[in-house]
Formats: sequence, C-alpha cells, structure tokens
Amino acid sequence: EAEVAQSPRYKITEKSQAVAFWCDPISGHATLYWYRQILGQGPELLVQFQDESVVDDSQLPKDRFSAERLKGVDSTLKIQPAELGDSAMYLCASTLSGGEGETQYFGPGTRLLVL
Amino acid sequence: TQLLEQSPQFLSIQEGENLTVYCNSSSVFSSLQWYRQEPGEGPVLLVTVVTGGEVKKLKRLTFQFGDARKDSSLHITAAQPGDTGLYLCAGGVWGGWGKLQFGAGTQVVVTP
Repeated sequence: EAEVAQSPRYKITEKSQAVAFWCDPISGHATLYWYRQILGQGPELLVQFQDESVVDDSQLPKDRFSAERLKGVDSTLKIQPAELGDSAMYLCASTLSGGEGETQYFGPGTRLLVL
Repeated sequence: TQLLEQSPQFLSIQEGENLTVYCNSSSVFSSLQWYRQEPGEGPVLLVTVVTGGEVKKLKRLTFQFGDARKDSSLHITAAQPGDTGLYLCAGGVWGGWGKLQFGAGTQVVVTP
C-alpha cells in the first residue's frame, strides 16, 4: 500500500540552528500539505501545494519558515533559525487532486525538539 | 485557534462501555472527516460525511453529520482497548483545495 514518507522521524536541534524536513507524497498525488501539531492540539496547516504552486501559506511564519516543492513531487520544509516554540510534530499529507472531501493521507511525522 | 471545538478533551472508560465524542463549530463545512491518531504516528482517516444529517456506520463506530453541517458526533459501542487513541474531527473548507480545519482532538483511553 502506498504511503507518505517523511524524514527524519526525530530531530533535536539547538535554537538558532537551521532544520529541514522532507516529505514524499503518494505517487500521483497533486496536493501536498504541511501541518504543525503541538502536543495536545490538532494539526494546524502551515502550507498547501497544488503541484509545484503554493495555494495557501497564510499560516506559515515566513520570517523563519520556507517550503518548496520544485518539481511538484517531494517537498522540503525549512526552519531558520529554529526557536524553542517550534518544538512540535511536523506532519505531511497528500491528496489526489485537492477535491472536496478527499482523503488526506498522512505520513508518520517528524518530531522536532528545539533546545 | 481551533474553530472546531471537540468535547470532551479526555475520556477514560472500561472495555465494553459506550462513548460519544462531539465536534461543534459556528462555521459550515463542505464535509466532515474523523481521524484517529496513535502516539508518534500521523492521523488515519476513519470516515468522511458530506451530506447534512448523514449517518455512517463502521462496525462499532457510528458517525453523524449535523443537519446544518456545523457539527458532528462519533459514537463507539462496546469499546475495546484497540479503540484507544486521539480522535480528531476536521471540517472541509469550501473552495479550499481540500483544506481541512482540525479540532484539538479527544484523547480516548479504553482499559481492559
């Protein structure tokens, strides 16, 4: 069964350092989402891609976060510099075309701890 | 800020008991999805409801979408330890390319 792949699974870094997360969606899925999930809360959307284009990055802290999906396939989310409040689970999800009610398939996430 | 309010936040029950989790909002959604998330993993879809008043059953789980498409409930009959997890509701945003608004989740613990 096709799955969304994410790496690394865990990342520990010191504040002010740069970190990067990678996501490979299910093959053929046009829509890719990056979420941040703080412990005890639901996922919050950071950025949404349709193919290689950003369709929603309204909640992305653009002073320190960046995301790209250059060829419309895999994607990278970067934080520079990391802050203590960035400690969270970063989840990637994909859907076939971004249609209403489509299933979002989530990867296992990257758990980030900023010291 | 979570626009979808889930209640209760935490639920601990014995195996065999029934439970209901609620998801409420002042917003109208195109669809309502329920996910279950286990520790250290991503959420997994349980069901999608798209029509106001719709009821779906999945084995021991019953999902209902409110008539006004603003609220939903998840009922589990005869809960089992394998039902333990974080239950998340998510509303589909109209015209949002599949964008979902998640609630904060209900942590369910079923003890043998």
